[in-house]
Formats: sequence, structure tokens, C-alpha cells
Amino acid sequence: EPEVTQTPSHQVTQMGQEVILRCVPISNHLYFYWYRQILGQKVEFLVSFYNNEISEKSEIFDDQFSVERPDGSNFTLKIRSTKLEDSAMYFCASSEDLGLAGEKGNEQFFGPGTRLTVL
Amino acid sequence: LAKTTQPISMDSYEGQEVNITCSHNNIATNDYITWYQQFPSQGPRFIIQGYKTKVTNEVASLFIPADRKSSTLSLPRVSLSDTAVYYCLVGYGGATNKLIFGTGTLLAVQP
Repeated sequence: EPEVTQTPSHQVTQMGQEVILRCVPISNHLYFYWYRQILGQKVEFLVSFYNNEISEKSEIFDDQFSVERPDGSNFTLKIRSTKLEDSAMYFCASSEDLGLAGEKGNEQFFGPGTRLTVL
Repeated sequence: LAKTTQPISMDSYEGQEVNITCSHNNIATNDYITWYQQFPSQGPRFIIQGYKTKVTNEVASLFIPADRKSSTLSLPRVSLSDTAVYYCLVGYGGATNKLIFGTGTLLAVQP
């Protein structure tokens, strides 16, 4: 069964450093997402991406964040200057298309996550 | 997006049927109801989705009454491996597909 993969599984960085989290979505999917989950808290939407541009972003996704699809397979999240409060699990997800909720295409497939620790 | 309310936690024993109810009083006409499951340190996983009445797949059933102001996820004969957080989400795909997660229900299955 196809799956979303993410690398690295765990990233430790110093405050102020740049990090790039990598994701390989499922190959025939067209929509890509990043979510984060601070330890003990709920999963939060960051950004959605379609046709090489951001479709929607949350208030969390400020100027320190950016996303890119540098080639046909990878989808990356960059944090320009990390802060302590960026420490969290970051999940990448993908879906076939938007469609109507209730159709198969609406299902989002999540990767295993990258645990980011900012010291 | 409709606000959802579900129990913070539930306990069950292996082999029992578990029903988790979610309230969504302000669900909109176009909204669908989706349930995700999350194990510790893993990404959420889609379980089931429905609009009205009953939907069943290989892992769960989803019951939605006529007024659609609530829904019940039913897990038949749970096992220890079903211990996880279960999220009820209500929303419409349409032009936006972001998922808004609440705090979910922590289901603890005991032997």
C-alpha cells in the first residue's frame, strides 16, 4: 500500500537555525499539507499546497515558514529561524484531490512525522 | 467549520463493542463527518466518513441520525491495539481541505 514518507524522523537544532523537513507524498496525489502537533496538544493545520502554490495557510504559518515542491516527488517545509516553541511533531499529508467530502479523494494520508527539537 | 464535542476519554475491554459519540450541533448542510485515529507518535489515520444514515467499512461503522447533529463511531470487538485517540471532524471538502482537529477521545482498551 502506498504511503507518505518523511525524513528525518527526528531533527535536533539550535534556536535560530534553519531546518528543512522533507516529505515524499503518495505519487498520484495532487494536494499536500503540513500539520504540527506540540507534545500533548492537538494536531494543528499549517498549510495546504496545490499546483505549485499555497492554497491555504493558518495563522501559525508566518514568514518564518515556507513550503516548496522542488521536484516531482518531494515536498518540503522550511523554518527559517527556529524558535523554542517550534519544537513539535510535524506531519506531512497528501490527498488525491479535493472533490466533495465523502468521496474517496477527500481522505488525507499522513506520514509518520518528524520530531523537531529546538534547543 | 462546525465545532465538535466528544468525550475526553473512554475505557473498554478486549472483545467489547465501543461507541464514541460526537456532537456537532451547528453542522452545515454541506458538511461531512469524518473520523481519524491516532496512535502515539504517529500521524492520524483515516477511519471512516459519512454524510447521513449509516456507513460501514472493514474497521468501523458510523451512525448519523436524521438531524445530523451528532454521530457515533462504532468499533466492533476492540483489541488492545485499538488503544488510540479518535478524532471526529466535521467540514466540507469543497475549495478547502484543511482538517481541523479537536482534542479527540482517548480510548483505552484493557485486557
